[in-house]
Amino acid sequence: SQELEQSPQSLIVQEGKNLTINCTSSKTLYGLYWYKQKYGEGLIFLMMLQKGGEEKSHEKITAKLDEKKQQSSLHITASQPSHAGIYLCGADVQGGTSYGKLTFGQGTILTVHP
Amino acid sequence: NAGVTQTPKFQVLKTGQSMTLQCAQDMNHNSMYWYRQDPGMGLRLIYYSASEGTTDKGEVPNGYNVSRLNKREFSLRLESAAPSQTSVYFCASRENRGHEQYFGPGTRLTVT
Repeated sequence: SQELEQSPQSLIVQEGKNLTINCTSSKTLYGLYWYKQKYGEGLIFLMMLQKGGEEKSHEKITAKLDEKKQQSSLHITASQPSHAGIYLCGADVQGGTSYGKLTFGQGTILTVHP
Repeated sequence: NAGVTQTPKFQVLKTGQSMTLQCAQDMNHNSMYWYRQDPGMGLRLIYYSASEGTTDKGEVPNGYNVSRLNKREFSLRLESAAPSQTSVYFCASRENRGHEQYFGPGTRLTVT
């Protein structure tokens, strides 16, 4: 099994609906990063969470980090077609020896129907 | 600032051929990374370079070699391509640990 599990693997929603993507680690999280990827393109950085209980928002996207559960959630409010893409979580699970290496989840494919 | 650039964007190789994927960043970042992305697998780290002059293996290094030519450039070489290396390859860079990684646009490689 993967060190970082994302759920769901894919999600289809109607425009205007709220949605949540989860990212759960089997190891201690030293930093959690959310990225978005459009098909055929590179990854765009969304947010970074480093402390338990931390919550960050950017426009209609909010991410939280639950240190006890080793889990992060990404919540999109009032989804729009522009939110469609692949969402990936990446985590630093090695702390000080990691040299910034990230382990990634398998990604969540989001489709938003107008 | 161009950020992280990768060449080529697309490449088709025959089994056994060799090639080098190029990556450059203009952000003066210390660390650079090579990942491959396969369907349902997310991104997996191939090699990384914590600083100029150093390289180290990631999760899936077999069949690849890297060179950190200078602070800007980090290349990935396939000496004898295999169909299992068909993938999308991403290069990334980061200033220091605790900062986000910036990704290039990717190279789509097909090995027949």
